[in-house]
Amino acid sequence: ELKVEQNPLFLSMQEEKNYTIYCNYSTTSDRLYWYRQDPGKSLESLFVLLSNGAVKQEGRLMASLDTKARLSTLHITAAVHDLSATYFCAVSPYNNNDMRFGAGTRLTVKP
Amino acid sequence: DADVTQTPRNRITKTGKRIMLECSQTKGHDRMYWYRQDPGLGLRLIYYSFDVKDINKGEISDGYSVSRQAQAKFSLSLESAIPNQTALYFCATSDGGEETQYFGPGTRLLVL
Repeated sequence: ELKVEQNPLFLSMQEEKNYTIYCNYSTTSDRLYWYRQDPGKSLESLFVLLSNGAVKQEGRLMASLDTKARLSTLHITAAVHDLSATYFCAVSPYNNNDMRFGAGTRLTVKP
Repeated sequence: DADVTQTPRNRITKTGKRIMLECSQTKGHDRMYWYRQDPGLGLRLIYYSFDVKDINKGEISDGYSVSRQAQAKFSLSLESAIPNQTALYFCATSDGGEETQYFGPGTRLLVL
């Protein structure tokens, strides 16, 4: 059974600091997704990673995928308050569309 | 107008009642999904559908049923609601390519 683990679950950062959120999964997958959810809102797609070594960047966020280690990272550079949200990774097993989400990382960026 | 809409947005019901949550989309996607979100558990897939004639169970389908009335409409039913089905329910669609999912605004359900 596919399991997806994120850590940390809670992250409090100061502005301008860097940090990384980790997403580990337990079975072969060819697709990994990162989503953002603001309090009381729906989920918004951030990144889709489709191959080993894939790296994507948008603003202060950069996501990468290592399929051999079954690990994805979401790196935050020089955090700002607007990045405060909950971040989810999601994995779809190879040749299967039963999407599994991590529990989410609640990020708070403080001045 | 929003691409993925859900009705109702909030619902309070009693144990044993049958309720239906509805999802409509204007994105033209074939694939639609229902998830529930509970605090600390992320999202869990209930059912998904790749077209009108294709329905698949997800991780937690027990106690739920679905109906794909048209490409644009996908409904979730709780035949006999119970308190542990209190949650936030999301509908989503995807295009079958990269499979990025586009989520509706959610339905907050409280079962008393």
